[in-house]
Amino acid sequence: GENVEQHPSTLSVQEGDSAVIKCTYSDSASNYFPWYKQELGKRPQLIIDIRSNVGEKKDQRIAVTLNKTAKHFSLHITETQPEDSAVYFCAASTGANSKLTFGKGITLSVRP
Amino acid sequence: EAGVVQSPRYKIIEKKQPVAFWCNPISGHNTLYWYLQNLGQGPELLIRYENEEAVDDSQLPKDRFSAERLKGVDSTLKIQPAELGDSAVYLCASSFGGNTEAFFGQGTRLTVV
Repeated sequence: GENVEQHPSTLSVQEGDSAVIKCTYSDSASNYFPWYKQELGKRPQLIIDIRSNVGEKKDQRIAVTLNKTAKHFSLHITETQPEDSAVYFCAASTGANSKLTFGKGITLSVRP
Repeated sequence: EAGVVQSPRYKIIEKKQPVAFWCNPISGHNTLYWYLQNLGQGPELLIRYENEEAVDDSQLPKDRFSAERLKGVDSTLKIQPAELGDSAVYLCASSFGGNTEAFFGQGTRLTVV
């Protein structure tokens, strides 16, 4: 089955700096890659997703890039703010009839 | 429109007791997931439903866990008997399919003492 790994497990950046979180996946058939943000004590919420027919997607300060050859995708957050501090999970799916497999998460801390 | 609704939010039980969790997905979502989330970890799939059919329950400990999704709408997850190691957050999520956004409920935090 699919295996999704995230590196590093924690990341600390200065407010205003950029943060990059990387995920690798094992199943080359995976074609849907969402990123979820989970604040302490709250539910995971989708912040951005990308499909395998696209190499990059942007939404304001957030972008995701996908490298299908290397089987990794990355979340880029620019101009980080303290409210970006949370746990970020990547996930992968092989299609409409498959499950979402999540990584273990990375804790992002933005220092004011 | 209401999101995914779960109840209860918190549950404390003694080991060996039974416990049940309830989930009402977003209207129209045919896919329903139950995930287990341990502290500091990502969600781990327990079971996935497509309408009323359990299509992936390979990670569900069937000796003590059971689930149902009657009529393909709301769902219940049961543990009987509960063990100390079952303490975790149980998340329900729903979507239009495996490759679309999954919306999560608030979760049920289970503590087994």
